Amino acid sequence: GENVEQHPSTLSVQEGDSAVIKCTYSDSASNYFPWYKQELGKGPQLIIDIRSNVGEKKDQRIAVTLNKTAKHFSLHITETQPEDSAVYFCAAANRDDKIIFGKGTRLHILP
Amino acid sequence: KAGVTQTPRYLIKTRGQQVTLSCSPISGHRSVSWYQQTPGQGLQFLFEYFSETQRNKGNFPGRFSGRQFSNSRSEMNVSTLELGDSALYLCASSSITTGGTDSPLHFGNGTRLTVT
Repeated sequence: GENVEQHPSTLSVQEGDSAVIKCTYSDSASNYFPWYKQELGKGPQLIIDIRSNVGEKKDQRIAVTLNKTAKHFSLHITETQPEDSAVYFCAAANRDDKIIFGKGTRLHILP
Repeated sequence: KAGVTQTPRYLIKTRGQQVTLSCSPISGHRSVSWYQQTPGQGLQFLFEYFSETQRNKGNFPGRFSGRQFSNSRSEMNVSTLELGDSALYLCASSSITTGGTDSPLHFGNGTRLTVT
């Protein structure tokens, strides 16, 4: 079945710097790749998603890139702010119509 | 529009008991998925319901079951609870209308189940 690997598991960056989280997937038929942010005590919230017919998508300080040949996709957060501190999950929709999640990255924004 | 509502927020049960969790999706959403979240395993897919039918199932034992009602509300049941069932159970709804999974999941805040 689909497997989604996410790295790193923990990431600390200085406020104002950029953060990059990387994911790889195994199912070449995967065609939808969402990213979620989870804050303490809350459920995950979608922050950006990308479909397989697009290589890059940007929304203000957040961007996602997709390399279908290499089967990897990345989340880029620029000009990080304290409110960006959270756990981030990548996910991929596999050929069985399941959305499979990576194990998450805990992002710390250092003052 | 109201978000996904899960009840209760917290539950404490004893090994061997059974438990039922409830989820009310966003109005108009017909797909409801359930996930188990633990620190070690992350978010693991349990099952998905669409128009009262189970459309997909993860790799969990038969003790985990669910159902969906005609108003799209869903319940999840775990029988013969084990200590390892302690987790945050998340429900998510989606506006997907046909086969395929390229509509965003909207999550509730979960039910924290503790089994003692």
